[in-house]
Amino acid sequence: SYELTQPLSVSVALGQTASITCGGNNIGSKTVHWYQQKPGQAPVLVIYRDVNRPSGIPERFSGSNSGNTATLTISRAQAGDEADYYCQVWDSSTGVFGGGTSLTVL
Amino acid sequence: EVQLVESGGGLVQPGGSLRLSCAASGFTFSTYWMHWVRQAPGKGLVWVSRINYDGSSTAYADSVKGRFTISRDNAKNTLYLQMNSLRAEDMAVHYCAGTRGYNDGFDIWGQGTMVTVSS
Repeated sequence: SYELTQPLSVSVALGQTASITCGGNNIGSKTVHWYQQKPGQAPVLVIYRDVNRPSGIPERFSGSNSGNTATLTISRAQAGDEADYYCQVWDSSTGVFGGGTSLTVL
Repeated sequence: EVQLVESGGGLVQPGGSLRLSCAASGFTFSTYWMHWVRQAPGKGLVWVSRINYDGSSTAYADSVKGRFTISRDNAKNTLYLQMNSLRAEDMAVHYCAGTRGYNDGFDIWGQGTMVTVSS
């Protein structure tokens, strides 16, 4: 079965740029979606189809996908960006999530 | 307002059954593929099952195949998950979520309903 690998945690200084990676075999050939989940809340879609932002998601959130790594980039990080972030793909009609990355804004 | 509201969670003994429901409002339910995604306490998200627009196609994670059945009633704007032969490892918050089509991201989520499996 297909697997996605994310770092357990990432830290970023307030106002700086955070990058969260999602590794998978030839993930560049798949479509990647990213979710933000704050404690006690349901996940929220922040990037869909590799690079697209849903309505209401700040331009500070961006995505890329190539080779064996997809990346979620958060520019000018704010305290409110502290959350768990998950990447997700579809593989043979099956949904696959990465293990999640906890983002800390220092 | 776009909304998904789950119900039906609760405490059940190992080997027991539960039926989860998810009521949709504020969008055209019959045009969305619908899914169940779960999250065990302190753990990550896990996709469970999906059903296409009209219910003619379903898919399941290996961990629930043969035990869970997903269905929908477009006339009632409601998604269901029949859960049989429940195990301790099924204990989780179960979210219903929607995608606009195959290969899309989950752009609508419910608030989740907790399933506790314990004797």
